[in-house]
Formats: sequence, C-alpha cells, structure tokens
Amino acid sequence: AQTVTQSQPEMSVQEAETVTLSCTYDTSESNYYLFWYKQPPSRQMILVIRQEAYKQQNATENRFSVNFQKAAKSFSLKISDSQLGDTAMYFCASGRDNYGQNFVFGPGTRLSVLP
Amino acid sequence: GAGVSQSPSNKVTEKGKDVELRCDPISGHTALYWYRQSLGQGLEFLIYFQGNSAPDKSGLPSDRFSAERTGGSVSTLTIQRTQQEDSAVYLCASSSTGTGYNEQFFGPGTRLTVL
Repeated sequence: AQTVTQSQPEMSVQEAETVTLSCTYDTSESNYYLFWYKQPPSRQMILVIRQEAYKQQNATENRFSVNFQKAAKSFSLKISDSQLGDTAMYFCASGRDNYGQNFVFGPGTRLSVLP
Repeated sequence: GAGVSQSPSNKVTEKGKDVELRCDPISGHTALYWYRQSLGQGLEFLIYFQGNSAPDKSGLPSDRFSAERTGGSVSTLTIQRTQQEDSAVYLCASSSTGTGYNEQFFGPGTRLTVL
C-alpha cells in the first residue's frame, strides 16, 4: 500500500522569497512516480511537476524544483521567487504508474504568498 | 480548445435525495477519472473509464455510487440516497492514453452539500 504525508497544513511566504513544502511517502513498489499538484481557489487541480523514481536527477519546471531523496522517501517542492499567483493548496501524490486510479494523494499544504 | 467542464458547479441537496454530477472531458481523451475531495483531505479515487473497457470501480465507497460514460465522452456520477458524509467536492479528470506519460487534466469540480 502507498501512503503520502504532508506535515505542514499551512505555510506562508513573502512575495519573491523561496519556500519549501515537505512530502514523505511510503511505497512497496520498485518503480513509481511522484507528483506535486496545485489547487488554486478555482478548485482546478494543475500538475506542477512530476518525478519518475528511477531518475536520480531532480525535476525542475521554471521556478519549481524538487528535492527527491529516494532512500529517505522524501519529495519536497521548492518554489523560488514566489508570486501572488502561487497562493493555493499543494498536494503531493505518488503512483505506481501513470494511471490516476493508482494515485495516492497527501492531505495538502495551504500556501499563502504575502505581498 | 475547451478544458474539462463539470456541472453543476455547486449542488445542495437534502439527505436521501439522488444527485447526478456531470463531466465533459477534453475532446479525444479516452481516459476519464472521478475523484472525491472531502474537506481538508486529498483526493480519493472513485472510478476510471478507459475507452470501451469495463470501468475500474474499485474506489466507489458504496453501492449508492455509480457512474456511466456514454459514447466514450460525457460521464455522469450518480449518488443515490445521499448522506451527509457524501458532502465533498467531486472532481473529474481526463487524459489521453498512449506510450509515455499522459497528464490528467482536471475540471473545476462540483461542490456537493448534503443537508
């Protein structure tokens, strides 16, 4: 069984600064995928970044990057140069494949970017 | 170029009534997912449709929940004899399928409130 834990229910950051959101997971799969999703007040879930577990290199997407520590089963998200539009719920998820019915989502971290 | 749409945006119903929630996926997407998001929780998988294959219903919480997908496009999630614990946001997502990664695109959800 897979589990995903996000230990920070809420966080805040000043505009233009950097923030890191934590995620730990547990899985018995030898290969798996990890994801960060953003859910703004519009409720629409948006994929921010994904990581394939067999790849050692940390994924990056513009201002978003991850710190993937496979041995520690940790998958944190770093947001650089935070913008007001980054205010949202952020969900970490793991999946044993690309198919969403096998995804397990964490409870989320509510991020507020302050002007 | 429309995204995934869902209707209604909000639904308030009385305990014991039946409700139908609609999802219109992105044109051409063969995979369609339904998720439930309870307050303060991550997403919980409900059901998955892929083309003409039998749906994966492994996430449906009880036999009061059912879903269909007509013509491989629009899907309807039906909750019979609603209970207060059914109150949640119901999210739909669609994706193409093929080799490699197929990103899920989410709709804005339907917020269901059972009084």
